[in-house]
Amino acid sequence: GQNIDQPTEMTATEGAIVQINCTYQTSGFNGLFWYQQHAGEAPTFLSYNVLDGLEEKGRFSSFLSRSKGYSYLLLKELQMKDSASYLCAVTKAAGNKLTFGGGTRVLVKP
Amino acid sequence: GAGVSQSPSNKVTEKGKDVELRCDPISGHTALYWYRQRLGQGLEFLIYFQGNSAPDKSGLPSDRFSAERTGESVSTLTIQRTQQEDSAVYLCASSAPRAGNIQYFGAGTRLSVL
Repeated sequence: GQNIDQPTEMTATEGAIVQINCTYQTSGFNGLFWYQQHAGEAPTFLSYNVLDGLEEKGRFSSFLSRSKGYSYLLLKELQMKDSASYLCAVTKAAGNKLTFGGGTRVLVKP
Repeated sequence: GAGVSQSPSNKVTEKGKDVELRCDPISGHTALYWYRQRLGQGLEFLIYFQGNSAPDKSGLPSDRFSAERTGESVSTLTIQRTQQEDSAVYLCASSAPRAGNIQYFGAGTRLSVL
């Protein structure tokens, strides 16, 4: 089976850093995705980790440890527009379906 | 097209009626996926099409749900005899190997069953 866990909600201050953790237990693993979803909108792609380690893209970084079944998304220099849900998803094979966690709602306060 | 397009954006129906939801994937994307998102919850996989292979229907919650795709173009998701628990946002995504197999999502169809 598939089990993907992430915190339900996090609050942070504008300009600060927030780390969203995701742990997974899956029968088969190829890669892990992070998506951002603003209320009422489509999820938008943030990152795709296949190999262990940290990948940095501007203010956003994503980390993967396959041996620990663990990933995190790091958001730096938080802006008000970063208030959104962040979705962790796992795939068993490239191009295959995604299995999502419940999402983490991040609220950025002034 | 430039992105994944879904229609209608909103659909209100009465319990027991059939509904059809449409998805136009990004041109050239060989894979197409349907997901469902209930209010305040994560996305649940429903079905996916990959090229000419038989679709993976393992996520369809009941036989009232079905989907078709013609070649590598449009897909329709049909829900027969709708129930109130079918109320959700239905999201479509498409991907292609040449685009890193990243799934790009449409804005979804918000279905409300009264």
